[in-house]
Amino acid sequence: AQSVTQLDSHVSVSEGTPVLLRCNYSSSYSPSLFWYVQHPNKGLQLLLKYTSAATLVKGINGFEAEFKKSETSFHLTKPSAHMSDAAEYFCVVSEGSGYALNFGKGTSLLVTP
Amino acid sequence: EAGVVQSPRYKIIEKKQPVAFWCNPISGHNTLYWYLQNLGQGPELLIRYENEEAVDDSQLPKDRFSAERLKGVDSTLKIQPAELGDSAVYLCASSLGVTDSYEQYFGPGTRLTVT
Repeated sequence: AQSVTQLDSHVSVSEGTPVLLRCNYSSSYSPSLFWYVQHPNKGLQLLLKYTSAATLVKGINGFEAEFKKSETSFHLTKPSAHMSDAAEYFCVVSEGSGYALNFGKGTSLLVTP
Repeated sequence: EAGVVQSPRYKIIEKKQPVAFWCNPISGHNTLYWYLQNLGQGPELLIRYENEEAVDDSQLPKDRFSAERLKGVDSTLKIQPAELGDSAVYLCASSLGVTDSYEQYFGPGTRLTVT
């Protein structure tokens, strides 16, 4: 069975400071991992994905994530938070060539001035 | 390019009433998904279509939920009768292909409130 655990339900950072959203995964096979962002009243948007190529994945809006197999982690980071980054972030896993996306429960990111 | 369109955006109904949600995927996307997102949770897949064929509906509660995708384009998800526990956001997504190599594009969702 495949699943993800997002370790923080809420994260608060000041504008201009680094962002770290933590995600651990569980998978029997070689997983594909994703981060999605959901702004209020908008659709989910793909930030980045890992599919067994480079372990450091760069995404949109300055976000990146590092796949660490030894730690079964796929944490999302950004060097400097912007007010527009405030949203709900979901870590997602799918196995092999399958289509089924298994979402974590989400982390709500608050950015304060 | 237009994204995935869903309507209505909000719906309030009384329990035991029927309700339907409509989805128009991105043009050319053969694969269409319906997800359920409960408050404070991540989305969960209800059903997946390849063209007009429902190829995975194992998570769809078939006693009250039904879905169709006529002509392999637009899709409708129906609940009859609705229960209080059905209050949630119903998301539609589409993709060019079936594997996770193809990005799933999500619509804004329909927020259902059952009173």
